[in-house]
Amino acid sequence: QVQLKESGPGLVQPSQTLSLTCTVSGFSLTDYSVHWVRQPPGKGLEWMGRIQSGGSTDYNSALKSRLSISRDTSKSQVFLKMNSLQTEDTAIYFCTRGPDYWGQGVMVTVSS
Amino acid sequence: DIVMTQGALPNPVPSGESASITCQSSKSLLHSNGKTYLNWYLQRPGQSPQLLIYWMSTRASGVSDRFSGSGSGTDFTLKISSVEAEDVGVYYCQQFLEYPRTFGAGTKLELK
Repeated sequence: QVQLKESGPGLVQPSQTLSLTCTVSGFSLTDYSVHWVRQPPGKGLEWMGRIQSGGSTDYNSALKSRLSISRDTSKSQVFLKMNSLQTEDTAIYFCTRGPDYWGQGVMVTVSS
Repeated sequence: DIVMTQGALPNPVPSGESASITCQSSKSLLHSNGKTYLNWYLQRPGQSPQLLIYWMSTRASGVSDRFSGSGSGTDFTLKISSVEAEDVGVYYCQQFLEYPRTFGAGTKLELK
């Protein structure tokens, strides 16, 4: 069955770079896009970006200068990297396949 | 970017009553192909969002027929008939006509 699981550090210092991994199973990254969505504590959902089945990417313009999404199809992994982190980047980060399959999310806190 | 604006519910909602959640988009989500590019999600406490409705009015697999979606190109309604305890959470609308995908701020449903 389709599954997605996010992993990464729970704590990142301000101004540092966040690196997250989304490991998928039950489908191929060459057949489906994978998206990243984040949710600050107690707040709503923000679409961050996606990597398409062909490998091209789309980003939220508000994050584009800091955000990079890539993948390793052989490992069924999608990567998110975002630099210059600030406290307002504290959030749960989800990876999704389309609208109907979501990972459990990973909580990232930006704090010194 | 397309702005999604959600209405509030007169919480708490008595169990067994119906509830309607509104969502408005700043641009028509009706495509020339006749489809309306709107999703509805429910995020239960502590969980990832779950897709309820896509194409404005099509229920996702396994979703109760107590949930129904309707609307026009810019004004949308999610109706929940006979609200139950499992319906408690935050409801989000999302447009998928354009990138960046954008969500409404969410509408909280509490049960009486």
